[in-house]
Parts: sequence; C-alpha cells; structure tokens
Amino acid sequence: GAVVSQHPSWVICKSGTSVKIECRSLDFQATTMFWYRQFPKQSLMLMATSNEGSKATYEQGVEKDKFLINHASLTLSTLTVTSAHPEDSSFYICSAGTSGSTDTQYFGPGTRLTVL
Amino acid sequence: GENVEQHPSTLSVQEGDSAVIKCTYSDSASNYFPWYKQELGKRPQLIIDIRSNVGEKKDQRIAVTLNKTAKHFSLHITETQPEDSAVYFCAAKGYNFNKFYFGSGTKLNVKP
Repeated sequence: GAVVSQHPSWVICKSGTSVKIECRSLDFQATTMFWYRQFPKQSLMLMATSNEGSKATYEQGVEKDKFLINHASLTLSTLTVTSAHPEDSSFYICSAGTSGSTDTQYFGPGTRLTVL
Repeated sequence: GENVEQHPSTLSVQEGDSAVIKCTYSDSASNYFPWYKQELGKRPQLIIDIRSNVGEKKDQRIAVTLNKTAKHFSLHITETQPEDSAVYFCAAKGYNFNKFYFGSGTKLNVKP
C-alpha cells in the first residue's frame, strides 16, 4: 500500500530557531499533501494544503510566514516552523493521496516538536 | 468552511458490547466521510469510509451510516474487543476543495 514517511520523528529546539519537517510519499506521487497539527488529546487541525509546483493554501488563522510550506516535487513536501516558540510545540502530521484518488489519505507517522 | 462535530468525547463499554459514535457536518457539499482510528503517538489509520451516494456500509464488525438530509453519520462497532480501545476520529471531505475536516475525537475504552 501507499506509504508516507516523515522526518524527523521528534525534534527538540530552542526558542527562536527554525525547524524543518519533511513529508515524503515513498511509493506514489502526491500532487497534494496536507499538513495538520495535533495538540495532546485533541483533534487534527488542518493547517494548509501543499500543492506541487505552486503556493500552499493556508487555513484561516494559520500564519503563512511562520509555517513555510514547500512542495518541491511530487514526493516531497516540507514544513518549516520559523522562529519557533514554546506555543508551537505540537504533533505535526502530513497526509497525501494518490493521483488516482484524492479521497483516501495516507498519513505520515507524525513529528513531535518541542520548543524549549 | 466545514464544521464537524463529534460525540461523545469519551465512551466506555464492556467487551462484547456495541459502541456508537456520532458526527454531524455543516457543509452539504461534503461528499466523503472517513473514520480513522488513532492509537497513542501513532498516525491515524483509516478503518471505514462512506460516500455521499451511499446510506450504509459494513465491514465485519464495523459499520457506518450516513443521513445526508440531516447531515450526520455514525460509526458502529459491534462485539467490541479490548484492542478496539483507541481514539476515533470522523472526518468530512469537501467537494470543492478536497480538504479534510476532522471531528474532535472519541476516546473509546473497551473493558475486558
């Protein structure tokens, strides 16, 4: 089946630094990927839709200058949390669908970000 | 945008009993409704889904029903087992923008 990976699986950084998270579709091409954040014991909140070769579409309330998304190829999307602060600490998950079906979403394993 | 509400937030059942989780959505244009199971610290796993042109779908112990008129859909798990314990999320996918919006989640605890 379709596999999505994320790297790193967890990261700890100092306040003010930037962190890059990679999301890869390993055995299929993904023209669209989604980025979510999940706080402990809460739901997945859609942050943005990442489109290959074009700008990401951000959900209302999500700062595009703080959460930079780049979808450079059909198998890779990156999320960069710039000037991270403790309130950015969260679980970040990406998902992707195959070109044949945008309904079925395959989730990455998630990245646990802790900002000190 | 779409708003998905999910109830209950927690559900505790005895092994062998049935569990029902309900969701409502606001956007009548939504046309795809998946259910995900998420274990602690892991990625969500699709367990069943239903499209807007279908009223009910069943897969072994799991079933989903959809009422388009009322804009609600439900997950039914029969003969629950301890390994069913997890957090379950419903979601709705918009027709126009292909985005997924998730419910708040239900923590299911199946007591042996």
